[in-house]
Amino acid sequence: GAVVSQHPSRVICKSGTSVKIECRSLDFQATTMFWYRQFPKQSLMLMATSNEGSKATYEQGVEKDKFLINHASLTLSTLTVTSAHPEDSSFYICSAPTGMSNQPQHFGDGTRLSIL
Amino acid sequence: QQQVKQSPQSLIVQKGGIPIINCAYENTAFDYFPWYQQFPGKGPALLIAIRPDVSEKKEGRFTISFNKSAKQFSLHIMDSQPGDSATYFCAASKGGGTSYGKLTFGQGTILTVHP
Repeated sequence: GAVVSQHPSRVICKSGTSVKIECRSLDFQATTMFWYRQFPKQSLMLMATSNEGSKATYEQGVEKDKFLINHASLTLSTLTVTSAHPEDSSFYICSAPTGMSNQPQHFGDGTRLSIL
Repeated sequence: QQQVKQSPQSLIVQKGGIPIINCAYENTAFDYFPWYQQFPGKGPALLIAIRPDVSEKKEGRFTISFNKSAKQFSLHIMDSQPGDSATYFCAASKGGGTSYGKLTFGQGTILTVHP
């Protein structure tokens, strides 16, 4: 079945560091990918839509200069958390759709980001 | 209008029981309703999904019931097992326009199945 790979699975770094998270579709092409953020015991909140070959679309309240998204190819999207601070600590998850109307979506296993 | 409301927040059943998780939505433009299962430290995994032109869909032990007029849908897990213990999320999306493919998630239900 469709597989979405996310890397790294866990990052621990100091405040002020920039962190890059990769999301790859392994056996299919994805012109669109989605990035979510999930706090402990909470639901997934959509941050942005990553579009291959064009700018990402950010949800209201998400700082585009803080969360840089690059969709460089049909199988890779990256999320860079710039100058990360402790409040950016969270579980970041990407998804990629495989069907019509961008559904169904398959999710990566997430990246646990901890900023000290 | 974009919200999807999910209940209960948590649910405990005995092995073999049939937990039922409910979701309600307001936006009649939603046309795709998936359910996801999430284990701690993992991303959500698609369980089953339904579109509003059918009232029920069954895949293995998982069944979605859909009531279009009430704008509600639910997940039933038959013969539940301890391995089903996880967090379950309902979601909804609509095709077309700027919301193409965006999933709106419910709040999640933590299911515990006791042996």
